[in-house]
Amino acid sequence: DTEVTQTPKHLVMGMTNKKSLKCEQHMGHRAMYWYKQKAKKPPELMFVYSYEKLSINESVPSRFSPECPNSSLLNLHLHALQPEDSALYLCASSQEWKGNEKLFFGSGTQLSVL
Amino acid sequence: GQNIDQPTEMTATEGAIVQINCTYQTSGFNGLFWYQQHAGEAPTFLSYNVLDGLEEKGRFSSFLSRSKGYSYLLLKELQMKDSASYLCAVRVNTGFQKLVFGTGTRLLVSP
Repeated sequence: DTEVTQTPKHLVMGMTNKKSLKCEQHMGHRAMYWYKQKAKKPPELMFVYSYEKLSINESVPSRFSPECPNSSLLNLHLHALQPEDSALYLCASSQEWKGNEKLFFGSGTQLSVL
Repeated sequence: GQNIDQPTEMTATEGAIVQINCTYQTSGFNGLFWYQQHAGEAPTFLSYNVLDGLEEKGRFSSFLSRSKGYSYLLLKELQMKDSASYLCAVRVNTGFQKLVFGTGTRLLVSP
C-alpha cells in the first residue's frame, strides 16, 4: 500500500462552520505534512509532524488546527475560515523528516469557503 | 528568502523531446526534486538530485548544477499522458528541513 488517502475529496463550508479534513497512510511513514495549493500556484507548506509531534508551523492562522492522533492519521480542523482560504489542501507523508526521502501526496481536499 | 523559477507553460508534440528548466536561489540547499501533477490529482515523485550531474530514469532524466543553481527535467518520446504540471522543489535547511516548490510548468502535449 503506497497510498495517502484524504477525505473528503470536496468540501463546501460557510465561514461559521467547523469541519475537519482527514489523511491516512499505512506505509509506516513517521513524517506527515499539510500543504495548501491555490489554483495555478505551487503547494505551500503549512505543518509538519514528525513522530506524531508538531515540528513545523509555517505561521498558519489559528483557524487551522492540525492534529496527529497516531502515526497513521493526520487531521486538519477548520473553524471560522475566510473565503480566501478556499484552496486544495494536500496531505503528504515520508519515511522520515530528513534527508532525501520523497514525499507521497494524497489527492487532496478541494475546499470552498462561502 | 527562497526563490525558485520555472517557465509557466510549454507546448510540445507527441514523440518529441522537451526540457523544463528550473533555477533557484535558496539557502541551505539539500537536494532538488521533480514532481508531476495532473489537474485535480496529487503530485507524484519523478526524480531526486543532490549531486551535480544527470539522473536517468526511463523516458525522464533530471540534471543538476549546484554552482549555477540550475536544474532541468528532460522528457523524451513525449506521450499525450505527459500533459501535466511539472513542479521543481528544493529541500532547504534553515534550521529545519522543508520542501519549497517552484511555480510549476504546465506542459501541453499535442498530437
